[in-house]
Amino acid sequence: GAGVSQSPSNKVTEKGKDVELRCDPISGHTALYWYRQSLGQGLEFLIYFQGNSAPDKSGLPSDRFSAERTGGSVSTLTIQRTQQEDSAVYLCASSRRAGGPYNEQFFGPGTRLTVL
Amino acid sequence: KQEVTQIPAALSVPEGENLVLNCSFTDSAIYNLQWFRQDPGKGLTSLLLIQSSQREQTSGRLNASLDKSSGRSTLYIAASQPGDSATYLCAVSSGGSQGNLIFGKGTKLSVKP
Repeated sequence: GAGVSQSPSNKVTEKGKDVELRCDPISGHTALYWYRQSLGQGLEFLIYFQGNSAPDKSGLPSDRFSAERTGGSVSTLTIQRTQQEDSAVYLCASSRRAGGPYNEQFFGPGTRLTVL
Repeated sequence: KQEVTQIPAALSVPEGENLVLNCSFTDSAIYNLQWFRQDPGKGLTSLLLIQSSQREQTSGRLNASLDKSSGRSTLYIAASQPGDSATYLCAVSSGGSQGNLIFGKGTKLSVKP
């Protein structure tokens, strides 16, 4: 079946512009996660959704970052007034549900964001 | 705060060798541990998931073990091939209801023909 998909695959933007990144999870997966992978850094957790709710937004690096999920499916991560330090690969993952020992996460190919 | 460490950071072996990648974590209160593979410029491919109640999982030439009490996991790759060259990431599912993964920085494996 179809895996997790993300769009765009690459995004180049100018400092100060807003960007939207999209994630389509595996059908039937109720949990959705956003991570960021910066050059030379490990993978950093940003936010998760169980259904359309994001119970904990504390992983978002600043108030310029926001995310939403609609219909328990597609999610968008929005970065306002982009800065050069936002340049990274943004990865999305989904799982059948959040938490618990059976929570195997499947990742999309990522969106490579470059802020000039 | 959960921290995950992977040793070595890089490894180069000749084709055909058996090898072991190591992962350690500081807080044993985990739900599960996942091993991933990441090819350059690509996303993550899930290799194995070990639930906290399990000791090991096997898939083909891969075998992952988990010793939760000592905070360690190993990924054993048998008869390595050039196609195994990639970065291998270990991640633990933290306690709590959200289940987000906490990752190590990975081991970059190169298998020489």
